Amino acid sequence: DVKVTQSSRYLVKRTGEKVFLECVQDMDHENMFWYRQDPGLGLRLIYFSYDVKMKEKGDIPEGYSVSREKKERFSLILESASTNQTSMYLCASRFGQPNTGELFFGEGSRLTVL
Amino acid sequence: QKEVEQNSGPLSVPEGAIASLNCTYSDRVSQSFFWYRQYSGKSPELIMSIYSNGDKEDGRFTAQLNKASQYVSLLIRDSQPSDSATYLCAGKVYDKIIFGKGTRLHILP
Repeated sequence: DVKVTQSSRYLVKRTGEKVFLECVQDMDHENMFWYRQDPGLGLRLIYFSYDVKMKEKGDIPEGYSVSREKKERFSLILESASTNQTSMYLCASRFGQPNTGELFFGEGSRLTVL
Repeated sequence: QKEVEQNSGPLSVPEGAIASLNCTYSDRVSQSFFWYRQYSGKSPELIMSIYSNGDKEDGRFTAQLNKASQYVSLLIRDSQPSDSATYLCAGKVYDKIIFGKGTRLHILP
């Protein structure tokens, strides 16, 4: 069965802390994505990765960075968390070819920054 | 114009009726479109994809793509209470999958 696992379902952090959100997929997918979802704003793309060590900025990359050292793992990093980064973070993956676009999502990580 | 736009709803439909969800898209979006369903507190799951002009049917769901008018729609026949969810329209911009804000659908028993 398809599996995208996000290591933390709920996190509470303080302003200025460094935050790591981990995502692992077991489907040998080339492409991985990080979105955030906020009420009234929908799903917005933060970063995505075509393959290992490759990354591209999405629509709202400011304040975030990513790491993809292994194919199955894609990490989202908040270098210095701020209250406006309180959100639901969703990781997703898909095959690079054929480029069907079907995304498989993890269960999400709800981050609260105090 | 935003790349993918949807009416946020809520859309209320009586049980057994047809629910019609619509989405418009900009010139930047390529001809690959997807409908995801998201239950409250859950992650989105793909229910339909459509790549060519016209209709595509899968059980009670029909996706319609009209390239000339730049809209894509999802019809749900014989609506059930279990169809109550947020429906997200998505399209491809290069290799990015961009989502609309979603339409909340309520099926009234």
